Amino acid sequence: ETGVTQSPTHLIKTRGQQVTLRCSSQSGHNTVSWYQQALGQGPQFIFQYYREEENGRGNFPPRFSGLQFPNYSSELNVNALELDDSALYLCASSLFTTSYEQYFGPGTRLTVT
Amino acid sequence: AQSVTQPDIHITVSEGASLELRCNYSYGATPYLFWYVQSPGQGLQLLLKYFSGDTLVQGIKGFEAEFKRSQSSFNLRKPSVHWSDAAEYFCAVGPRSYNNNDMRFGAGTRLTVKP
Repeated sequence: ETGVTQSPTHLIKTRGQQVTLRCSSQSGHNTVSWYQQALGQGPQFIFQYYREEENGRGNFPPRFSGLQFPNYSSELNVNALELDDSALYLCASSLFTTSYEQYFGPGTRLTVT
Repeated sequence: AQSVTQPDIHITVSEGASLELRCNYSYGATPYLFWYVQSPGQGLQLLLKYFSGDTLVQGIKGFEAEFKRSQSSFNLRKPSVHWSDAAEYFCAVGPRSYNNNDMRFGAGTRLTVKP
């Protein structure tokens, strides 16, 4: 059984640029949730995807968007990067009917300069 | 507003000593409650969860937590800490729904274990 994987591991971008982060869900899981974890903070819920549609969103602006693909993998896109977007981005997969049982990937560390 | 408070930013304990990490929550109703651990460079690993029933729940790695409704608390405990327990610990709450699409985390407690 393959766990949740994320790519890339680290990323450095310049303010104003756009970035795409990728997540492969654990085998058998059909739901993906994304979190932002700033340094010294707990993860903050960005949004969740199920059946290729957004199913719940936290307090994040529209420049944070996502996709889910038929194989349940997912992308997080952030446009017009700001310095405050520097964080660890975590992906978690689950089954929709038990999405309180989330399995996290190792994260992507994004640095915006 | 829904929130999770972990009052202790950093705790240091000696190896073999007991441990208690505090967690308080503010929620409209009794939520689902979780404790996660995060080692450096790793994602979050679920230690234990509370949904209903017995208010003392057992988790992995010898951890347990007690839900106290009257105090809106869900404190994590371990009778004897091992050096490998050094990590960041997060308490989290989520809605009582099979579709938990709004999980809230505390700011975390960093645990240091002295030899």
